[in-house]
Amino acid sequence: QSVLTQPPSVSAAPGQKVTISCSGSSSNVGNNYVSWYQQLPGTAPKLLIYDNNKRPAGIPDRFSGSKSGTSATLGITGLQTGDEADYYCVTWDNSLSAGVFGGGTKLTVL
Amino acid sequence: QVQLVESGGGVVQPGRSLRLSCVASGFTFSSCAMLWVRQAPGKGLEWLSFIWWDGTHDDYAESVKGRFTISRDNSKNTLYLQMNSLRVEDTGLYYCAKERNIGSHSFDHWGQGTLVTVSS
Repeated sequence: QSVLTQPPSVSAAPGQKVTISCSGSSSNVGNNYVSWYQQLPGTAPKLLIYDNNKRPAGIPDRFSGSKSGTSATLGITGLQTGDEADYYCVTWDNSLSAGVFGGGTKLTVL
Repeated sequence: QVQLVESGGGVVQPGRSLRLSCVASGFTFSSCAMLWVRQAPGKGLEWLSFIWWDGTHDDYAESVKGRFTISRDNSKNTLYLQMNSLRVEDTGLYYCAKERNIGSHSFDHWGQGTLVTVSS
């Protein structure tokens, strides 16, 4: 059971939009930056969003991040079949004095 | 270009030890905090251990505290993970990752991982 709660799976059609939530508490999401990662099958994770809502160079603006209170959200618009992957949120937890990952969300593009 | 190359994985019996290495290149290793993450077969990512740029501070997940030790040699651009008293549940793919910028706890480059199998 992860400290950060993500839906196990989401799905949408190509071209549509999807959001993935990451729910935590004041000891983690509520008071620390959240970052998001995409993990394509058989590959290492890739940074999509850092500092809640910033995109690294090379990440298309179809990917966006936001945070409100103790929840963070990853948004993906204009879905493509190549977006099918597992997505993870991560942040620091002040109570644990450790980082924590969400349990991951599998995105299916129907 | 930034590269992180893990090594040291293998098959080991429960209770034994293993040391993983992560050799960094393409950036100023001595200025970056580093992270170890693992992924059990078919499971999600698990945060394991984090070390400051200068090695003066480290943190651990409860699941490995007291058994695993993170360290670094900035003169060799190398990150280590000493794993003692290994358990079957420590089986997985171990990744090292580089922090993007101090304090963000976000990680912009990852290695390809080294596989650890703990089995009798």
